[in-house]
Order: sequence, then structure tokens, then C-alpha cells
Amino acid sequence: DTAVSQTPKYLVTQMGNDKSIKCEQNLGHDTMYWYKQDSKKFLKIMFSYNNKELIINETVPNRFSPKSPDKAHLNLHINSLELGDSAVYFCASSQVRVWGNTIYFGEGSWLTVV
Amino acid sequence: QKEVEQNSGPLSVPEGAIASLNCTYSDRGSQSFFWYRQYSGKSPELIMFIYSNGDKEDGRFTAQLNKASQYVSLLIRDSQPSDSATYLCAVIRDGYNKLIFGAGTRLAVHP
Repeated sequence: DTAVSQTPKYLVTQMGNDKSIKCEQNLGHDTMYWYKQDSKKFLKIMFSYNNKELIINETVPNRFSPKSPDKAHLNLHINSLELGDSAVYFCASSQVRVWGNTIYFGEGSWLTVV
Repeated sequence: QKEVEQNSGPLSVPEGAIASLNCTYSDRGSQSFFWYRQYSGKSPELIMFIYSNGDKEDGRFTAQLNKASQYVSLLIRDSQPSDSATYLCAVIRDGYNKLIFGAGTRLAVHP
């Protein structure tokens, strides 16, 4: 069973379109995240939710809107896609505190904006 | 100054040698330190975490932490070609649960 699953894995779309990436975890974790990895492989946090509540919101354009219907799901909706949004988006989950715990990453969603 | 800094590499070592990967961090409030491995086209996977000064060993891997110098390292003994990947250093600051990553060091182990 996949612990953190995200769909779609690959997405090619045109500038200006709106798209969503879905994420689900079956680990019973309280906290979920969205990370973005750019072309230089730099992995940076975007959002974090704890029990459906937004707790981390980094400096991200408001075209990006996360939604957490329940603690097992965290979706990412992107409006008016731009070329610079092309990246790999990783969903992840962990327990409330990550002091010594593991953040589990999904397999990533490769977004290409043309 | 980036919060977590790593040499991008590539670090090239022969099979069987010790690979030494280094990482420095800027925030003295950082409490937990992680090493992730990422193969090309794959997601990061945790290798080790450490939060006390000193060494922590797990199989062929040893993490070393020196909070006074704000330095954390990962040693890989008996390096294998399958260890070839990008190694990401990450830290968590006290009171936060977000992982802040360095840009990663690419390791190449050649036969």
C-alpha cells in the first residue's frame, strides 16, 4: 500500500490554465505538506496543514490554494498557471512534531507549463 | 545567507571508500537535523536524523552533529555505486514543524 499518494504524476498544461494536484495519506498522520522542487533541485516548503488547519504558509503566490477536506487529504489548486510554475510538487505527511519522526514524501507530481 | 548550505558537488568517490557529506546551518535555534537521499526522478527518503551533539551510527551511515559550529555531516562507509544520489540536509527549528532543506550534494560512486 502506498503511504502518501498523489495524482497526477505527470501534468503538461498551457499557460493560463487552472489545475489541481491531489494527495492522500494512509498513515494516520496529523500533518501534511506541499513542497516544491525547482529545476535546480531545491526543495522548498509551500504549505502545511495540521488536522485540516493551515499552520505554515510560506511566501507563495495566491494563485496557489491548498485545501484539506480532512486530515488524510491535502489538495493543491493552481490558478492561471505560469511558465515558472513548472516544477515537481511533493506532498508529504508526518506526525504533529517532526523532532525525531519521519516526513514521508509522495512520489511527486511533475508539472510542465508550456 | 541560505539557511542550510551544502556543496552541490558532484562528490566523486571510488567504490569502497568513505564518502563525507557536509552541511552548515545558520539558525542556532535549529534543533533537529536530517539527511535525505534522493535518486534522480524519485522522492526524498530519510536516511538518518540526529538532534544531539556527537555521532549517530546506522549501518554504513554515520551522522555527526556539532551545534557549536552549526555543522552536520554524513559519512557513508564502504560506498557502493547504489549510493550514487543527491543527499539533502534538512533542519527543523525549535517550535516549528517545517523541514528546511539545503540544495543537496550529488554523490557519484564509481566502480
